[in-house]
Amino acid sequence: EAGVTQFPSHSVIEKGQTVTLRCDPISGHDNLYWYRRVMGKEIKFLLHFVKESKQDESGMPNNRFLAERTGGTYSTLKVQPAELEDSGVYFCASSPTGRPDTQYFGPGTRLTVL
Amino acid sequence: QKEVEQDPGPLSVPEGAIVSLNCTYSNSAFQYFMWYRQYSRKGPELLMYTYSSGNKEDGRFTAQVDKSSKYISLFIRDSQPSDSATYLCAMRDGDSWGKFQFGAGTQVVVTP
Repeated sequence: EAGVTQFPSHSVIEKGQTVTLRCDPISGHDNLYWYRRVMGKEIKFLLHFVKESKQDESGMPNNRFLAERTGGTYSTLKVQPAELEDSGVYFCASSPTGRPDTQYFGPGTRLTVL
Repeated sequence: QKEVEQDPGPLSVPEGAIVSLNCTYSNSAFQYFMWYRQYSRKGPELLMYTYSSGNKEDGRFTAQVDKSSKYISLFIRDSQPSDSATYLCAMRDGDSWGKFQFGAGTQVVVTP
């Protein structure tokens, strides 16, 4: 069984540009989560999808961040326009229906905003 | 004050020793407690999951939760160099379905 995959593994962009991160959850997992870790800080929750619906987006930092999960499969997280403080590692995780505490994490996307 | 406190380490132990890790937290509503292991440049990997108070054992790993003290622990017996990684605690309350609060992680180094 394939794990959670994320693309790209690393992205370097200029301040003001747009970046889109992609996450492919484990097949059959209805729950999909985005987290972020900025330098020197703990991993922070961003949002939670159940299928294509946003269950909890209380962790999204501002309206420059847009997450989508069309069709309830893969998800994208767009940052537009990117700011310096957006640099960090963005993790995606997925879990089976009814099991929110069994989250499988992807390897993360390292975003550097210059 | 952070909701979850975890000593960043590094914690260096000789091979075969017991590794003792812990987290403290301030939110008494937390009921679900997880421990993750993260190798460099990889995503966190779930090690242990505990609900409410008590102990749970899985192989060389033992997780303890003391809700009265707001303190959780992870013990690794017979540590191996392959256990060298960052260990993260995570927790949530009963209403925050899937929304974890993470500790900053403790770096563990097991020397041969």
